[in-house]
Amino acid sequence: EAGVAQSPRYKIIEKRQSVAFWCNPISGHATLYWYQQILGQGPKLLIQFQNNGVVDDSQLPKDRFSAERLKGVDSTLKIQPAKLEDSAVYLCASSVWGGNTEAFFGQGTRLTVV
Amino acid sequence: DQQVKQNSPSLSVQEGRISILNCDYTNSMFDYFLWYKKYPAEGPTFLISISSIKDKNEDGRFTVFLNKSAKHLSLHIVPSQPGDSAVYFCAASDGAQKLVFGQGTRLTINP
Repeated sequence: EAGVAQSPRYKIIEKRQSVAFWCNPISGHATLYWYQQILGQGPKLLIQFQNNGVVDDSQLPKDRFSAERLKGVDSTLKIQPAKLEDSAVYLCASSVWGGNTEAFFGQGTRLTVV
Repeated sequence: DQQVKQNSPSLSVQEGRISILNCDYTNSMFDYFLWYKKYPAEGPTFLISISSIKDKNEDGRFTVFLNKSAKHLSLHIVPSQPGDSAVYFCAASDGAQKLVFGQGTRLTINP
């Protein structure tokens, strides 16, 4: 079974530039999560999709972050414009259905904003 | 508001001994708890979980204990092995909704 795929693995951008991350979840998984992990901290949920609908985006900075999950499969997370404090690892995860099932994580995208 | 807390940033244990990692939560709606393990430059990988209807779940060398009245859970690893050296995250869910993570504990197993 193929795992959660994320790209790119690494990205370096200047502040005020834009960046996009891509995630392909495990086939058949209805729930998709985007987490932000700042160095030394635990993953913080940015947005959770159930199929192509948003379940929770309460911690997504909507003035600069956006995410979509077209056709309930792949997802993209965009930051525009980026700030220095956005430097983090962005993790995508998927699960069969909701929080009471195991979530599988991708390797993450390490973003550095300079 | 940190709903899931791991108060020990790091833990060092001798190989062969027991490792005990602790986690506290504040949200009484949480009913499912998971432990994840993370190596550098990799995403977290699922280790073991427990439902709130149980107080113990065991899988090989790993056992998770849940004390609902104290809102506390712990992960026991015995015997500890060098390959267990990693960052361990506790996570909690309130049902169909979001998965909330703690800050992590870095476990180092010394030979």
